[in-house]
Formats: sequence, structure tokens, C-alpha cells
Amino acid sequence: DADVTQTPRNRITKTGKRIMLECSQTKGHDRMYWYRQDPGLGLRLIYYSFDVKDINKGEISDGYSVSRQAQAKFSLSLESAIPNQTALYFCATSDLGYGQSNEQFFGPGTRLTVL
Amino acid sequence: GNSVTQMEGPVTLSEEAFLTINCTYTATGYPSLFWYVQYPGEGLQLLLKATKADDKGSNKGFEATYRKETTSFHLEKGSVQVSDSAVYFCALSVYRANNLFFGTGTRLTVIP
Repeated sequence: DADVTQTPRNRITKTGKRIMLECSQTKGHDRMYWYRQDPGLGLRLIYYSFDVKDINKGEISDGYSVSRQAQAKFSLSLESAIPNQTALYFCATSDLGYGQSNEQFFGPGTRLTVL
Repeated sequence: GNSVTQMEGPVTLSEEAFLTINCTYTATGYPSLFWYVQYPGEGLQLLLKATKADDKGSNKGFEATYRKETTSFHLEKGSVQVSDSAVYFCALSVYRANNLFFGTGTRLTVIP
């Protein structure tokens, strides 16, 4: 079974609709992240969470919100979707270690299309 | 600041050819460096990493050496296979960083 799962894997929605992307992990990690991937831009951080009570904005948080329902679950919401939010979205996890390495483990991604 | 610059693609090679994908970085601290690979339709997987200068990361025939003097972490493989076709991302993190800083990715296609 996959350690980091995302649902749905694909979603087509219309402008103005609210949509939620979900992420679950069985790795027991405290840190969780949401990224978006756009062609030619690599991955950019939307939000991250170090534990259930700790939520932080990333590089491109405008138009998004998140909820950390439990250690294992981290959801990303688009309150009113717009076409330029069409992208591939990834959830990732990592340990709450204080070592230098921040190795992250990624889910399979959600392809979102906003018409 | 922290950033990664990697070779733009796409890169097309014949099977058994030598591969180099260049990656250079700027960092505010002492970074750890990573190469991630994304196979078609899948998420990112860690390919290899190096956490200090002169370390060599290796996996599946791929290698990269952390060169502090040239701020580089180039990915190499001596003989590529069709199954290596994927997008490769160079990334860095610095101590207590909140996230990874990714390059833009390099698409590799290996033809038989």
C-alpha cells in the first residue's frame, strides 16, 4: 500500500466552484506539505504543517486554504476555483527531525483542471 | 536566498548513452541536496541525496557529487535505459528549512 495517498487523482471543475483535495499518510510523519507543479516552474509550496496545531503559508498560498484534521490527514481547499489554478498538486510528508536533511515523501498527485 | 538552477530539457538520448543533467544552487546555509525522479503519471520519488560537501549520492546507476566549490550537484549515469525516461528534479534544503527548493525539472527521453 502507498504510504502517501491523494484523492481524487483527477478532477475537472468549473470556475467558482469549491473543491477539496485530500491527503493521507501512513508514515507517521509530523510534517505535511502541499505543492503545485506547473510546466517549466518546478514545484512550488502552497502550505505546510508541522503538526495538527501548526499551519503555515508557503510561497503561493493566495486562493488556497488547508486543514490538518489529524496527524495523518492534510486537506487543501480551493474556495472559488479559477482557471490559473489548473495544475498538478502534490502532497508530501517528512519527519519532524532537526537534522539537516529534509527528505520528503510524495503522494502520486492530483491533476486538477478548472474550466 | 535559496534556489536551484538545472539544465533545461528536454533531453533525448539513445539507449546506453551517457547522461549528465547539470544542477547548480545558491543557499543561505549549508544545504542538503537531492535528486528526485518523476515517472509518467506518478509522484516524485527520491533518487539520491548528499548531505555534506564531497558526498556522493548514488542509486540505480545514477550518481551525483556535492561540490561546494562549484555549488553544483550534477546527475550522471553511464548507460541510460528506456526505463530511465522521466522528469528529473534537483532540490535543496537548508537546516531547519520549511520546504525543499526545486529546480524546474528536466525531461529525459531514452529511445531504443
